Amino acid sequence: DQQVKQNSPSLSVQEGRISILNCDYTNSMFDYFLWYKKYPAEGPTFLISISSIKDKNEDGRFTVFLNKSAKHLSLHIVPSQPGDSAVYFCATVREKLTFGTGTRLTIIP
Amino acid sequence: DAGVTQSPTHLIKTRGQQVTLRCSPKSGHDTVSWYQQALGQGPQFIFQYYEEEERQRGNFPDRFSGHQFPNYSSELNVNALLLGDSALYLCASSFDRGTGNTIYFGEGSWLTVV
Repeated sequence: DQQVKQNSPSLSVQEGRISILNCDYTNSMFDYFLWYKKYPAEGPTFLISISSIKDKNEDGRFTVFLNKSAKHLSLHIVPSQPGDSAVYFCATVREKLTFGTGTRLTIIP
Repeated sequence: DAGVTQSPTHLIKTRGQQVTLRCSPKSGHDTVSWYQQALGQGPQFIFQYYEEEERQRGNFPDRFSGHQFPNYSSELNVNALLLGDSALYLCASSFDRGTGNTIYFGEGSWLTVV
């Protein structure tokens, strides 16, 4: 039972454009969501989070949007840069981290 | 300040063998969690250790066991290895359970079972 789903395994975006990564979850009890970024040969690193009391959280080029009624969150990266090429995981934390399957983002120079 | 360190980084084992993976948490952290990331999947929670006790466990068989030492370092043991155990094993450390932005991951140990 995949409680956190990322339906796009990969995404390619031109440098300078907006990257939008999507994530759906099934359990309405989840109340805190995170995005992690993972480069090859490195562990996941925390990128940005959002609490269910908000619908938007922004940190520089990164913005996360939460739609509780749709059980959907998205990560916007603008403008996209080559260094953003990585695998992105959405996750929720309730005593433990529950990850989605990841989306591989490739930024095309 | 060293982050989370894991060893070994890569290893190859034969079906039926046993393996031990090691993790040293980030300085100041007292909680260690282990995750398995199979190819094309997200990390899956195996278990968490706090105060040398297993505090929480994910949906993994008893072949997966662990230990936490008084210095907070931890080991993950897998017995009777199966081909399906081939994966990246990630260790994460935090102070108590931590929150998302205070949980730090190591680079992982790549296990190949042949």
